[in-house]
Amino acid sequence: GQQLNQSPQSMFIQEGEDVSMNCTSSSIFNTWLWYKQDPGEGPVLLIALYKAGELTSNGRLTAQFGITRKDSFLNISASIPSDVGIYFCAGKLGGSNYKLTFGKGTLLTVNP
Amino acid sequence: ETGVTQTPRHLVMGMTNKKSLKCEQHLGHNAMYWYKQSAKKPLELMFVYNFKEQTENNSVPSRFSPECPNSSHLFLHLHTLQPEDSALYLCASSGWREGRNEQFFGPGTRLTVL
Repeated sequence: GQQLNQSPQSMFIQEGEDVSMNCTSSSIFNTWLWYKQDPGEGPVLLIALYKAGELTSNGRLTAQFGITRKDSFLNISASIPSDVGIYFCAGKLGGSNYKLTFGKGTLLTVNP
Repeated sequence: ETGVTQTPRHLVMGMTNKKSLKCEQHLGHNAMYWYKQSAKKPLELMFVYNFKEQTENNSVPSRFSPECPNSSHLFLHLHTLQPEDSALYLCASSGWREGRNEQFFGPGTRLTVL
C-alpha cells in the first residue's frame, strides 16, 4: 500500500523557536492535510492543501503542497507550550473520494 | 453538541465481553469512518460508510462489526476481542464529493482488552 515518510519522528525545542516538519511519498497526491493530536484526544485538522505549490497559513502555522505533489511541509513559527502534541500529515490520491494515507506523526515537545 | 462525538471515552473489557462504541456527527456529512490507532503505527482505516452504505471493509476481523443506521450515527460492535485489539478507536466524518473531503475526527475511545 501507499506509505508516507514523515520526519522528524520527534523534536525538542525551546519556546519561541520555529519548527519545520515534512512528509514525502513515492506517489502523487492531490490533497495534503495536516492534523494535530493532543494526548487522549482525536486529531484536529490544521490545514488542507489542494494544489501543487499552494502555501496556506493558519495563524502561526504555514503549510505547503510540494511542486512535485509528492511532499508537503508544515512550519510553526514562534512556538509556544500549547504547540506540544503529535502532528500528522495525510495525503489523498486522485480518484479516491475519501481514502487518506497517514504519516506516523512528529512528536513535538516545547520547553518553556 | 458540535463536531464529532464518541462514547464511551474509555472502555475496559474482557475477551468474552460484548460491547459497542458509538459515534455521532453534527456536521451534516454523508460519510463516516472507523480508524484504529495503535502506538508507533499510522492510523489504520477499518470501515467506511457513505450514505449509510458500507463502501470499505479493510480486511477487518469479524469480531469487529460496524453498523450505520443513518448518516449521523455509526457504531462499532465488539465481541470476543483479543488483547492486541487494545488501541484508540477513532471515528471521523466527511463530505463526499470529488475534491474537498476533509475528515473531521472525534475524540476517540481508548479500548483496553484484558
